[in-house]
Amino acid sequence: EVQLVESGGGLIQRGGSLRLSCAASGFNVSSNYMSWVRQAPGKGLEWVSVIYSGGSTYYAASVKGRFTMSRDNSKNTLYLQMSSLGAEDTAVYYCARERYGGGTDYWGQGTLVTVSS
Amino acid sequence: EIVMTQSPATLSVSPGERATLSCRASQSVSSNLAWYQQKPGQAPRLLIYGASTRATGIPARFSGSGSGTEFTLTISSLQSEDFAVYYCQQYNNWPPLTFGGGTKVDIK
Repeated sequence: EVQLVESGGGLIQRGGSLRLSCAASGFNVSSNYMSWVRQAPGKGLEWVSVIYSGGSTYYAASVKGRFTMSRDNSKNTLYLQMSSLGAEDTAVYYCARERYGGGTDYWGQGTLVTVSS
Repeated sequence: EIVMTQSPATLSVSPGERATLSCRASQSVSSNLAWYQQKPGQAPRLLIYGASTRATGIPARFSGSGSGTEFTLTISSLQSEDFAVYYCQQYNNWPPLTFGGGTKVDIK
């Protein structure tokens, strides 16, 4: 069974840093495109970043230069290192698997990041 | 970046009625479009990919159509569990993946 379990969210002060983790089971993250998607309270979905199976990473303009996505194949785990956090980064962060051929077919339950001023 | 626009923002429908949701892309995305359902406190769930192919386990009352810039999600006969927010997403030209703003389907 495919599962994605995020952790690491919490309350952080403006300007601070936080690292999110996403533990995967039932498949290999290294063989898939994996994304982080966030959702601000009461708002829609915003794609944040992707790591390709080959290891290349790409970011939304809103987080580029502040967020870094990585993975540990031995732990089958994804990470999102976030820095210079601002109020606009307050959201539930989901890790998700990109289905080969399109569509995001598996999502974690999300982890809430709250940036306080 | 491709901008996705959904309409209406809110759709009020009675149980058993048909619901039609629209999604428009700012440029052609071919058939590289997905639809998601999200209920309060839950992660999104993939309903449709390739504009018209139902994902595994999705009931036949959900159908998708369209190509290019205009897309439709139809729920043929709304069940109580279908009241939720629905998002479209293009994956024709990414990154970035882009989502529409969502349509909330609520009970009339």
